Amino acid sequence: GEEVAQTPKHLVRGEGQKAKLYCAPIKGHSYVFWYQQVLKNEFKFLISFQNENVFDETGMPKERFSAKCLPNSPCSLEIQATKLEDSAVYFCASSRRTRNQPQHFGDGTRLSIL
Amino acid sequence: GQQLNQSPQSMFIQEGEDVSMNCTSSSIFNTWLWYKQDPGEGPVLLIALYKAGELTSNGRLTAQFGITRKDSFLNISASIPSDVGIYFCAGRNSGGGADGLTFGKGTHLIIQP
Repeated sequence: GEEVAQTPKHLVRGEGQKAKLYCAPIKGHSYVFWYQQVLKNEFKFLISFQNENVFDETGMPKERFSAKCLPNSPCSLEIQATKLEDSAVYFCASSRRTRNQPQHFGDGTRLSIL
Repeated sequence: GQQLNQSPQSMFIQEGEDVSMNCTSSSIFNTWLWYKQDPGEGPVLLIALYKAGELTSNGRLTAQFGITRKDSFLNISASIPSDVGIYFCAGRNSGGGADGLTFGKGTHLIIQP
């Protein structure tokens, strides 16, 4: 598609439950990125993929967060044993592989942990 | 980690006024991007800058990539009501690749009637 599509738009989970978010990048884009935006509008980079391969995961809290981009499937971000502090909006972005290409963002998934 | 200092944090202006905001960093970036975010939506790309000293316009918006690679500014001329929103600068070390962006904390633009 022409836009980054994220589902669901809203997700509510009880503390300790699992949360799974999905992202379909723009068709033809080889790079996928996940960001977390917390209440003060601050963006935190989590992880990036080049096709199905992890490129940079320096921002991922590795104990409970995991992500995948498998061929012919939406990319996913999964949080195990959610905590209250995981409440945030999670954005996915994608870009082309060629040089000097900006990242284009989806509209995010708002995750609320109760 | 790298940080971007974006200012001002918020701006209250009258419709028709010009707006200027900037980002500075203690380290070098090779790409600067400016995004606008409306409530409930994702950041929308406004301008992308890839070369030091580059000055680029997009309608009423103008942005520059500082010559030292450590700063960038965004100007909006003759503001209109739909300019309201939060503007973010973002920097990246590389011109390509899958490096993550470092974001500023945003400038909240409010237009008073």
